[in-house]
Amino acid sequence: AQRVTQPEKLLSVFKGAPVELKCNYSYSGSPELFWYVQYSRQRLQLLLRHISRESIKGFTADLNKGETSFHLKKPFAQEEDSAMYYCALSWNAGNMLTFGGGTRLMVKP
Amino acid sequence: NAGVTQTPKFRVLKTGQSMTLLCAQDMNHEYMYWYRQDPGMGLRLIHYSVGEGTTAKGEVPDGYNVSRLKKQNFLLGLESAAPSQTSVYFCASSYVPPGLTDTQYFGPGTRLTVL
Repeated sequence: AQRVTQPEKLLSVFKGAPVELKCNYSYSGSPELFWYVQYSRQRLQLLLRHISRESIKGFTADLNKGETSFHLKKPFAQEEDSAMYYCALSWNAGNMLTFGGGTRLMVKP
Repeated sequence: NAGVTQTPKFRVLKTGQSMTLLCAQDMNHEYMYWYRQDPGMGLRLIHYSVGEGTTAKGEVPDGYNVSRLKKQNFLLGLESAAPSQTSVYFCASSYVPPGLTDTQYFGPGTRLTVL
């Protein structure tokens, strides 16, 4: 069965510091990984997906199949990055998603 | 476009009561999903639908039923609510090209408390 693990429930950094939100997965097939974000009082929305290989709001994530990881990184955190971040794995052609437990990022001024 | 909307936004039930949550989308998406969000557990899939008239069980379907009578609507029912069903419920929809995956678009959520 597929599984997504986000080991940190809370990550607190100062503005301007680098950020790395960890995500590890287990899946026997070929994975497609996503990062979704939920800002305060807003709905959950897609941040980025690994197949598009693009940078959104300064965030990047690289799929490492050897380490089964898809960590989210940003070199300089901003206060507006404070939010709940979810890593998700798509595991069949029906577009099903398995989510990790989420990491709350707090960026302090 | 309103995207994905959910009704109601909040609800308090007593144990044993029933209710229906409504999800509507105006993006002509074939796929729709119901999730529950609990602290530390992320979002877990309850039921999903790959088209009008079809539904399937997800990861945590017990205690819930669903119906997809119209393409734009996906209803989640609780026949006899239990305190363990206290949660935030999210609906989502997506367009899925054959054999591929795509973004899921989420509703604003329904906060349900069962006393």
